[in-house]
Amino acid sequence: EPEVTQTPSHQVTQMGQEVILRCVPISNHLYFYWYRQILGQKVEFLVSFYNNEISEKSEIFDDQFSVERPDGSNFTLKIRSTKLEDSAMYFCASSIQGNYGYTFGSGTRLTVV
Amino acid sequence: AQSVTQLDSQVPVFEEAPVELRCNYSSSVSVYLFWYVQYPNQGLQLLLKYLSGSTLVKGINGFEAEFNKSQTSFHLRKPSVHISDTAEYFCAGRMDSSYKLIFGSGTRLLVRP
Repeated sequence: EPEVTQTPSHQVTQMGQEVILRCVPISNHLYFYWYRQILGQKVEFLVSFYNNEISEKSEIFDDQFSVERPDGSNFTLKIRSTKLEDSAMYFCASSIQGNYGYTFGSGTRLTVV
Repeated sequence: AQSVTQLDSQVPVFEEAPVELRCNYSSSVSVYLFWYVQYPNQGLQLLLKYLSGSTLVKGINGFEAEFNKSQTSFHLRKPSVHISDTAEYFCAGRMDSSYKLIFGSGTRLLVRP
């Protein structure tokens, strides 16, 4: 069964540093998403991406965040200057269309120290 | 505002007993509903989804859910649970023209021998 692959599985970074989280969505999917889950809390939507542009974003997704699909297969989330409160599990997801099931990756646990 | 509510933060149940995990969503013109399961330190696995058609939806691992438009509910059920069903269960919805998934706060199912 096709999978969404995320790397790394765990990343530790110092406050103020830039991090890039990587995702390889399922190859024939057209919609891509990032979500995050702070420890013990609900899963929160960050951003959706379609046709090489952001289609929707939440209030969490401020100027410190950006997304890119640099080469037609990878989908990345960049946090420019990490804060302690950015520590969370970040999930990438993809869907073939917006109204079908979403396949999630296994997540990247980001720890900001 | 669009929302998904899971009223029960934890549901303890004995092995082989039936279980129902409750989920309610805010009324919308159109809605697509999903249940995901998250095992410790793992990603989100799709259990089942309601897109349209039959209101009774069957998923993996013996789970099923019923879409009830009048009560704006999408409760998850299993007639006989196993120890291995112990996990966090998230209800999520996509409403109206938005492609983002809105998650409930999760219900921890704790199956005891």
